[in-house]
Amino acid sequence: SQQGEEDPQALSIQEGENATMNCSYKTSINNLQWYRQNSGRGLVHLILIRSNEREKHSGRLRVTLDTSKKSSSLLITASRAADTASYFCATAVSGSRLTFGEGTQLTVNP
Amino acid sequence: EAGVAQSPRYKIIEKRQSVAFWCNPISGHATLYWYQQILGQGPKLLIQFQNNGVVDDSQLPKDRFSAERLKGVDSTLKIQPAKLEDSAVYLCASSLLIGRTGNPQYFGPGTRLTVT
Repeated sequence: SQQGEEDPQALSIQEGENATMNCSYKTSINNLQWYRQNSGRGLVHLILIRSNEREKHSGRLRVTLDTSKKSSSLLITASRAADTASYFCATAVSGSRLTFGEGTQLTVNP
Repeated sequence: EAGVAQSPRYKIIEKRQSVAFWCNPISGHATLYWYQQILGQGPKLLIQFQNNGVVDDSQLPKDRFSAERLKGVDSTLKIQPAKLEDSAVYLCASSLLIGRTGNPQYFGPGTRLTVT
């Protein structure tokens, strides 16, 4: 069964706007990771946040984790057309096995 | 550094035929993963190796799927015989040795399999 569920399923914004994607999960986790997938390509790791962390930043990306609500959010600031992709959250309960959600399809219009 | 390599990139076969995929992980990465990604869904783990040992194959349909990682480096995934529902992208990923706090996974470009 899917551990993580992303919301929304699809998001369309204008270049320069911020994009926020959410991920909810069911069981306690060790860490949560966000990945990006461009059409027809493999996944690219964006950020890993551990269960004892609340927020992490990487360039224009900001990830938050609320373990009490079993949810995470990915914020992309000042979006660009090149950010158009599918974004997946993946949870690790123990070890390194990841369970991926269904993804959010982000479209950034120039 | 070189990324995860996979071949072939595309494969079309008829149902009941067999097919094999190859993966070369990032040098020094002890852990190797095979995922199946059906169109419109997230990747699903099929099998995980650490060095040349299987760590997790609980979601591998063992009646038709097999995988090996000889010498703890390259890996092959085989489907025999293929079914229509096996049409998907097969992704290989690698990461550093399993740690308690987790490591990012690095993905190859995938092999798109179409079963007709």
